[in-house]
Amino acid sequence: KNQVEQSPQSLIILEGKNCTLQCNYTVSPFSNLRWYKQDTGRGPVSLTIMTFSENTKSNGRYTATLDADTKQSSLHITASQLSDSASYICVVSDRGSTLGRLYFGRGTQLTVWP
Amino acid sequence: EADIYQTPRYLVIGTGKKITLECSQTMGHDKMYWYQQDPGMELHLIHYSYGVNSTEKGDLSSESTVSRIRTEHFPLTLESARPSHTSQYLCASSESRLAGGSYNEQFFGPGTRLTVL
Repeated sequence: KNQVEQSPQSLIILEGKNCTLQCNYTVSPFSNLRWYKQDTGRGPVSLTIMTFSENTKSNGRYTATLDADTKQSSLHITASQLSDSASYICVVSDRGSTLGRLYFGRGTQLTVWP
Repeated sequence: EADIYQTPRYLVIGTGKKITLECSQTMGHDKMYWYQQDPGMELHLIHYSYGVNSTEKGDLSSESTVSRIRTEHFPLTLESARPSHTSQYLCASSESRLAGGSYNEQFFGPGTRLTVL
């Protein structure tokens, strides 16, 4: 069964600190993995997207890593800001269908305190 | 910011009412999707469309229906709303794989928060 598991479920950190969010998946055949940021009451917005051959990708203070062998990914946030408070969703796409089906994790709810 | 719009953003209605959630995109994307999301839970695909006059049911069974008469428009209708339909509904769109889109990246609208009393 294709699944995406994220940890931790929620996380509270102080402004300026770093944090790392984890994602494990069992989706096969693998196409790509994305990290989305979803603010409360809004739709998800893409942060990074990585294919099988990519190990790391950065977008400003966000750095995603991918280990396709162990089927794990992480999202590292550097020097957190209050605006980073949101749900971070790991999404994996398979390449077995023309739809490019997406499998969503439940997200990690990050709260940044001043 | 993606050019995909949803209206209304919030809707509170009584049981038995018919409602239509609107979704429009100006990116010319062929594929469009409707997802349902409950608090703290993952997004579930309820409908999708490959293009005009194409609609398919997603993974999660839903009593809603959709139509795709125009490329840019993908409305979702509930004929008779019930409290169990209370949820957030997210619309998304993506380019066709054959057109070489960016890994079929889906762009999401802001969502409609539906509450049925």
